[in-house]
Amino acid sequence: DVKVTQSSRYLVKRTGEKVFLECVQDMDHENMFWYRQDPGLGLRLIYFSYDVKMKEKGDIPEGYSVSREKKERFSLILESASTNQTSMYLCASSGGTFQTQYFGPGTRLLVL
Amino acid sequence: GQQLNQSPQSMFIQEGEDVSMNCTSSSIFNTWLWYKQDPGEGPVLLIALYKAGELTSNGRLTAQFGITRKDSFLNISASIPSDVGIYFCAGQLATNAGKSTFGDGTTLTVKP
Repeated sequence: DVKVTQSSRYLVKRTGEKVFLECVQDMDHENMFWYRQDPGLGLRLIYFSYDVKMKEKGDIPEGYSVSREKKERFSLILESASTNQTSMYLCASSGGTFQTQYFGPGTRLLVL
Repeated sequence: GQQLNQSPQSMFIQEGEDVSMNCTSSSIFNTWLWYKQDPGEGPVLLIALYKAGELTSNGRLTAQFGITRKDSFLNISASIPSDVGIYFCAGQLATNAGKSTFGDGTTLTVKP
C-alpha cells in the first residue's frame, strides 16, 4: 500500500525558531512536493523536487527552503518561523509526469 | 502561472441529493484530476481523466474532461454523510514536469 508519512501531525513553534518538517515516501517516486493549505486558498505549491538534490521553486517559496538528500525523504525548512506561516502543510509524491500525487496526512503548524 | 476557478466554494445539501461541482481554466490541460480531502487528512485521488470528452465513473462519482480541455466537472449522486469533505480539482500539463495546478476546493456538507 502506498504511503507518504509526515513527521508530525501538530506542531507549535515560536516566532524566529527554525522549523523542520519531514516527509518520507515508500513508493520510490521521483517527484516530491510541499504544499501549504489555507482556508479558501486551496493548495499552494511551495517547492517541488524531481530528483535527489534537485529542487524547483513553486508559487510561494519565500521564507522556506527544502532539502532532498535521499530519494524517499523531502524536508521543508522554515529558517525563521513567522506567525503568517501558521498553516497546514501537505507533502505529496508522484512517479512522474501525469502520475497521481499521493499525499501525506498533513502537519498543522502553529507559530506563536 | 495557470489558474483554476472551482465552483461552488461550498455546498450544504441533504442526504440523498445529487451534487455537481466544476472547474474552469483560461488555458488547456492534458489531464484533469479530482481529489477528496477528509477532515484532518491529506487529499486522496477520486478520478483521473486523460482525454478530452472522457467521462469516467467511480461508484456514485462521475467526472468529465471538457471537450475544450479547459474545464471539468464532478457529480456525486445520492449523497451520504461520509461524502463530507473538501473536493479539489487539479490540472496537469505535459510540459510541467509532474506538477499539478489545484483549484481552491469545494467544501461539501451533507445533512442527515
